[in-house]
Amino acid sequence: GAGVSQSPRYKVAKRGQDVALRCDPISGHVSLFWYQQALGQGPEFLTYFQNEAQLDKSGLPSDRFFAERPEGSVSTLKIQRTQQEDSAVYLCASSLLHKNTEAFFGQGTRLTVV
Amino acid sequence: AQKVTQAQTEISVVEKEDVTLDCVYETRDTTYYLFWYKQPPSGELVFLIRRNSFDEQNEISGRYSWNFQKSTSSFNFTITASQVVDSAVYFCALSEGVLSGGSYIPTFGRGTSLIVHP
Repeated sequence: GAGVSQSPRYKVAKRGQDVALRCDPISGHVSLFWYQQALGQGPEFLTYFQNEAQLDKSGLPSDRFFAERPEGSVSTLKIQRTQQEDSAVYLCASSLLHKNTEAFFGQGTRLTVV
Repeated sequence: AQKVTQAQTEISVVEKEDVTLDCVYETRDTTYYLFWYKQPPSGELVFLIRRNSFDEQNEISGRYSWNFQKSTSSFNFTITASQVVDSAVYFCALSEGVLSGGSYIPTFGRGTSLIVHP
């Protein structure tokens, strides 16, 4: 497709369950970002990839959060043993070059932990 | 450290009014980039504009205009003759530049919710 695609769009998880969120960036985009957006807040940075290399994971809130991009295209954000505070929209973005070009965002995955 | 402040949490206007959304930023870098994004109810962040720190020219795109003032560290966004379809949350974002060796990662403000009533 032409844009960034995220799946699933909605996910309900029971507390303690593991979840995996997928991001298909725009083809050819080098940079890929994951953000977490709580209700009524701005997106908060989680992690950044340049091709398959995870260059910054300083925003991951705990060691329960793990992201990968093994072939430099599709990325997966995994959350282990989900907690209620993990409930948020998880946004993925990609950009063409590893510079300050604009990032294009997907529609996000809304995660609700019950 | 980078920081973006959008002091207006919510703005409510009637259609055809002009409205300005404020954005104030903090950075120690001399090279940086500023962005505005729109987030409609569907949730996807839509890119509106990108401006680098060396270009202080104001920009106009249809009903949208942006006023970048380094002296006050502000990058305000004005919608002229607002329409109901402009209702959304608008985010200002900042990233530090390549030459500074800093992060390329955009930092977002908390957003301003714009409600345009018919």
